[in-house]
Amino acid sequence: QVQLVQSGAEVKKPGASVKVSCKASGYSFTSHYIHWVRQAPGQGLEWMGVISPSGDRTSYAQRFQGRVTMTWDTSASTVYMELSSLRSEDTAMYYCARDSGRGRATLTFDSWGQGTLVTVSS
Amino acid sequence: EIVLTQSPGTLSLSPGERATLSCRASQTVSSSYLAWYQQKPGQAPRLLIYGASSRATGIPDRFSGSGSGTDFTLTISRLEPGDFAVYYCQQYGSSPPLTFGGGTKVEIK
Repeated sequence: QVQLVQSGAEVKKPGASVKVSCKASGYSFTSHYIHWVRQAPGQGLEWMGVISPSGDRTSYAQRFQGRVTMTWDTSASTVYMELSSLRSEDTAMYYCARDSGRGRATLTFDSWGQGTLVTVSS
Repeated sequence: EIVLTQSPGTLSLSPGERATLSCRASQTVSSSYLAWYQQKPGQAPRLLIYGASSRATGIPDRFSGSGSGTDFTLTISRLEPGDFAVYYCQQYGSSPPLTFGGGTKVEIK
């Protein structure tokens, strides 16, 4: 079955960077885009961006432009999301999510990782 | 950026009752590119509805979606105990960015 397994919780200081991984299994990972969505404690969902299955195309939400980088390690079936210049407002659960479309982006999410809690605190 | 406003914020109902959740967009959502997700405490969201009215794989038919333009509705015909959760709408007709509504919590009365 489709599984997206994310790396463990992180605690970072303001100004630092964090890199979260998302390992895909149970499907042909070269066929689906991967999105990142975050959720601050007690808050709603916020889309951060998307990476193509080949890793050669990304699209980021404007508010994260310049701070976020999404990459693929195809040999490890793993996607990474790195967020830099962290501030307290970046404290959130970060989810990777598989795009529902096969071979194309439909921009809906049919499988999700378990989430990675990133805490930014001095 | 399209802003989605969900109402009510909280819906208090009993098992067996009908739930009607609203999602209103600040601009027309093209081609009814509107999805609904369910999120239970401590879990990731789950896709329920896409294209405003199509059920995702494995979603029971007591969940239905409707609407077009700027007004969309998720209806749960008869609430079961596992349906008490937070529900989010998401538009994907105008992106980036994809945007979500603020959520409606369906709680047991």
